[in-house]
Amino acid sequence: GAGVSQSPSNKVTEKGKDVELRCDPISGHTALYWYRQSLGQGLEFLIYFQGNSAPDKSGLPSDRFSAERTGGSVSTLTIQRTQQEDSAVYLCASSLGQRLGGYTFGSGTRLTVV
Amino acid sequence: SQKIEQNSEALNIQEGKTATLTCNYTNYSPAYLQWYRQDPGRGPVFLLLIRENEKEKRKERLKVTFDTTLKQSLFHITASQPADSATYLCALEDRGSTLGRLYFGRGTQLTVWP
Repeated sequence: GAGVSQSPSNKVTEKGKDVELRCDPISGHTALYWYRQSLGQGLEFLIYFQGNSAPDKSGLPSDRFSAERTGGSVSTLTIQRTQQEDSAVYLCASSLGQRLGGYTFGSGTRLTVV
Repeated sequence: SQKIEQNSEALNIQEGKTATLTCNYTNYSPAYLQWYRQDPGRGPVFLLLIRENEKEKRKERLKVTFDTTLKQSLFHITASQPADSATYLCALEDRGSTLGRLYFGRGTQLTVWP
């Protein structure tokens, strides 16, 4: 597609429920990143995919967080047993995977855990 | 500890003046540094990338400098306009980290008033 698409744009969920966030990167971008942005905080790295593999998962906050990428394209970030501290904007970005230019970000999914 | 600090949380300037934003880093060895613009409710948008061996980059009204001795990047917007009002983020890739993983500052909110 023309840009990075994320869905849903907003998600309100009850504490303890599982949520799935979706990212559709730019076609041909081999690298895909998930970040989250909490109010007043900088972007916090979560996980990086190169193709379908995740060489760096070090940013995932706990084992309740997982992500996968299939076909070198769409990625889903899953949060199990959501907690209130999971409330944030989850941003996905893609790039060509080389040091040629910047990321292209999606508009994010605003997750609110009540 | 590693830090990326952007000079102030907010910067207010008059239309037509030059806005100068500062990004200082500690305990990183950047391969390159990037600047992004973020509007409310949107993902960051890539503006400029500058490599460790480059001193200055320009793009239209934007100029970025990079001083690895001072561990600092300056971001200038000349002839500023109200439409330039946004939050500006600096980000760097550290040589010791995963290729492509970026570390972000918290941003500077720029307001340009008529």
